[in-house]
Amino acid sequence: EVQLVESGGGLVQPGRSLRLSCAASGFTFDDYAMHWVRQAPGKGLEWVSGISWNSGSIGYADSVKGRFTISRDNAKNSLYLQMNSLRAEDTALYYCAKDLEGATTLSQIDYWGQGTLVTVSS
Amino acid sequence: AIRMTQSPSSFSASTGDRVTITCRASQGISSYLAWYQQKPGKAPKLLIYAASTLQSGVPSRFSGSGSGTDFTLTISCLQSEDFATYYCQQYYSYPPLTFGGGTKVEIK
Repeated sequence: EVQLVESGGGLVQPGRSLRLSCAASGFTFDDYAMHWVRQAPGKGLEWVSGISWNSGSIGYADSVKGRFTISRDNAKNSLYLQMNSLRAEDTALYYCAKDLEGATTLSQIDYWGQGTLVTVSS
Repeated sequence: AIRMTQSPSSFSASTGDRVTITCRASQGISSYLAWYQQKPGKAPKLLIYAASTLQSGVPSRFSGSGSGTDFTLTISCLQSEDFATYYCQQYYSYPPLTFGGGTKVEIK
């Protein structure tokens, strides 16, 4: 059974940093690209970042480019999101998600974690 | 970035109804489109990918169609468990991957 378990969320002041982690199990982690998707309270889904199997291809939403860094450790079956210079508008539930199709391209998402809540407020 | 526009943003329907949700891309995306269902407090669930391919385990009352810029998600006979919010997502061009704004299906 595929499981994605996020951690690292919490309350943080504007301008500070936070690192999210996602522990993956139930599939061959390094066979798939991975994503972070967020959802602000009461709002829709926003793709944040994606990474190919070997970290050779990485993409970001314009809203986080230059502030967030996605990474993965295939030996630990883990995905990360380093978030710097956080803003109030980054407040959201952050989902770790597995790509359906494969390793090198970003496509649709077939499994999602339950999310970790990030609140940016003074 | 490719903009995805869903319509309507919400509507009410009754169990047994046939419902259709529309998603329009700001430029052609071939068939690189997915549909998700999200219930309150839950993570999204993949329903359809490649515009019309049903994800494993998804009931056959769900169907998708379209290509280029215009797409539809149809629920042939609405069930009580189908009341939820639905999102489309393009994966033709990235970054960024982009989602539509969502369509909430409520009970009439």
